[in-house]
Amino acid sequence: GDSVTQMEGPVTLSEEAFLTINCTYTATGYPSLFWYVQYPGEGLQLLLKATKADDKGSNKGFEATYRKETTSFHLEKGSVQVSDSAVYFCALNTGANSKLTFGKGITLSVRP
Amino acid sequence: DTEVTQTPKHLVMGMTNKKSLKCEQHMGHRAMYWYKQKAKKPPELMFVYSYEKLSINESVPSRFSPECPNSSLLNLHLHALQPEDSALYLCASSQGGGAGVSETQYFGPGTRLLVL
Repeated sequence: GDSVTQMEGPVTLSEEAFLTINCTYTATGYPSLFWYVQYPGEGLQLLLKATKADDKGSNKGFEATYRKETTSFHLEKGSVQVSDSAVYFCALNTGANSKLTFGKGITLSVRP
Repeated sequence: DTEVTQTPKHLVMGMTNKKSLKCEQHMGHRAMYWYKQKAKKPPELMFVYSYEKLSINESVPSRFSPECPNSSLLNLHLHALQPEDSALYLCASSQGGGAGVSETQYFGPGTRLLVL
């Protein structure tokens, strides 16, 4: 079945550090890929998405590139801020049964 | 605008109570979803409505009863819940009927439910 694997957390970084959060997937067909962010006490917000191979999604300084050859969608940001502290979920959609398949999520803490 | 609203924000209920959660979107989306999220876990799909008809029920206990009165509104009726049902309940919507591979789901802020 479809699955998403995220790197183990939590991750703690200092402000202005470089961020990489790994995400790999297994899916039948050609899924769309998403990163969602959940700030403390809130719902999920779409951070970025990519719908085909080599697409790059970007938003708020975050980027991720859909790599079909490595089945990956790693999230990167060049300089994190304290306000980026949140839980980040990688997810895929194959169009089957309307389902989003989520990774386990990873907690990012950024210290001043 | 990609806003999904949910009320109430917080809800405390006893095991014999009946309550309802409400979700609204005015983006013209034709698929709406209920998810349950426990602490430090990803959301788990409960129900999907496509064009106002229930299309998916992920084997959810009957004490949870969804309703879609119109294309903008989604309710979740709660009755005789158990303490283990305490969680964040998230509503989401997407533009098409939910089956498109590139469909993006937009989430509301959630209702935090505590069952005593």
